[in-house]
Amino acid sequence: QVQLQESGPGLVKPSETLSLTCTVSGGSVTAYYWSWIRQPPGKGLEWIGYIFHSGTTNFSPSLKSRVSISIDTSKKQISLKLTSVTAADTAVYYCARDSGITAALGYMDVWGLGTTVTVSS
Amino acid sequence: DIQLTQSPSSLSASVGDRVTFTCQATQDINNFLNWYQQKPGRAPKLLIYDASNLEAGVPSRFSGTGSGTDFTLTISDVQPEDIATYFCQQYDNVPLMYTFGQGTKLEIK
Repeated sequence: QVQLQESGPGLVKPSETLSLTCTVSGGSVTAYYWSWIRQPPGKGLEWIGYIFHSGTTNFSPSLKSRVSISIDTSKKQISLKLTSVTAADTAVYYCARDSGITAALGYMDVWGLGTTVTVSS
Repeated sequence: DIQLTQSPSSLSASVGDRVTFTCQATQDINNFLNWYQQKPGRAPKLLIYDASNLEAGVPSRFSGTGSGTDFTLTISDVQPEDIATYFCQQYDNVPLMYTFGQGTKLEIK
């Protein structure tokens, strides 16, 4: 059974770069679309962006200028970087897998447990 | 960009009740609408995909209907373990991007 585990610093200072990693176990990273989603405290879900195993990406227009996502297929890891963070970037960050193989189906059937990131000095 | 509006923002029901959540899209999204359940402190879980298809392992008291711009999620016999926030989500294929509704919180009386 595929499992996702997010990891990274729980505290980031304002103006610095948030860096998180999602490690995939029990399955392949190849042929799937991998997304990062975040959820500020007490609020809803916000899609950040996705990456395909080939390296193709797309990002939320509201975050596009600050976000990058990369993939290391040999390590089965998907990484997120968010630059110039502010308190508004405080959230639980999830990685998730689109159910489709090779072609996205538009729904996410596997989610990580999430990791909490606080932006504060 | 397509926006999703969920209503109500919160809902209180008794065990055994039938409850309905609604999700409205700002333009026609065919049947590309999915529903997730998020229990407190947990990751979201896929319930319904493509408007009406029940994800494997999800109890049959959950059902989804709709197409175009208006969609509903129904729980036919609310159970205490259904306490959660329910999110709808749609996707655009070119370029690929996903959008979530703001969620409806279900409480048990």
